[in-house]
Amino acid sequence: EVQLVESGGGLVQPGGSLRLSCAASGFTFSSYWMGWVRQAPGKGLEWVANIRQDGGEKYYVDSVKGRFTISRENAKNSLYLQMNSLRAEDTAVYYCARSEDYGPHFDYWGQGTLVTVSS
Amino acid sequence: QSVLTQSPSASETPGQRVTISCSGSSSNIGSNYVYWYQQLPGTAPKLLIYRNNQRPSGVPDRFSGSRSGTSASLAISGLRSEDEADYYCAAWDDRLYGVLFGGGTKLTVL
Repeated sequence: EVQLVESGGGLVQPGGSLRLSCAASGFTFSSYWMGWVRQAPGKGLEWVANIRQDGGEKYYVDSVKGRFTISRENAKNSLYLQMNSLRAEDTAVYYCARSEDYGPHFDYWGQGTLVTVSS
Repeated sequence: QSVLTQSPSASETPGQRVTISCSGSSSNIGSNYVYWYQQLPGTAPKLLIYRNNQRPSGVPDRFSGSRSGTSASLAISGLRSEDEADYYCAAWDDRLYGVLFGGGTKLTVL
């Protein structure tokens, strides 16, 4: 059974940093693109970033470029999102998702982890 | 503001058919596959339609997708109360070099 479990969310002050993790199981992690999608409270879905199987290709939404870094460790079946210079508008539930390609073909999702940026 | 435009809400009675639309442009829907997601209250999104009109295993054939030009549609027939959810379209955008989601349509089954 495919499982994606996010962790690392919490309360952080504006300008602070946080690292999200996603533990994958039930499939060959190194064979899939992976991504992060977020959802602000009461709002719609917003794609954040995608990463290729070998980590050699990455894409980001403009609003996080230069602040967020997506990475993966295939040996540990883990996906990460390093978030720096956090802003109030980054407050959201962050979902980890598996993708068949670089596009929005997210066939499995985690349960999400809440990030709150507030003083 | 989303580049993929969806009506904020839709409603229909049980047993009927409803169509949810998603409008884009030549750089996204016009040249890339469209995907649809269902999000039930308090849960993670679920892939409903991929590559314009394909259903993942386990998704009932009451759900169907189509694309024409720079627009796409999700049709749900034989509406059930459990279909009450938020529905999102998504596509890759060649100009922005990223994934776009529509703003979402909240479906109410009356």
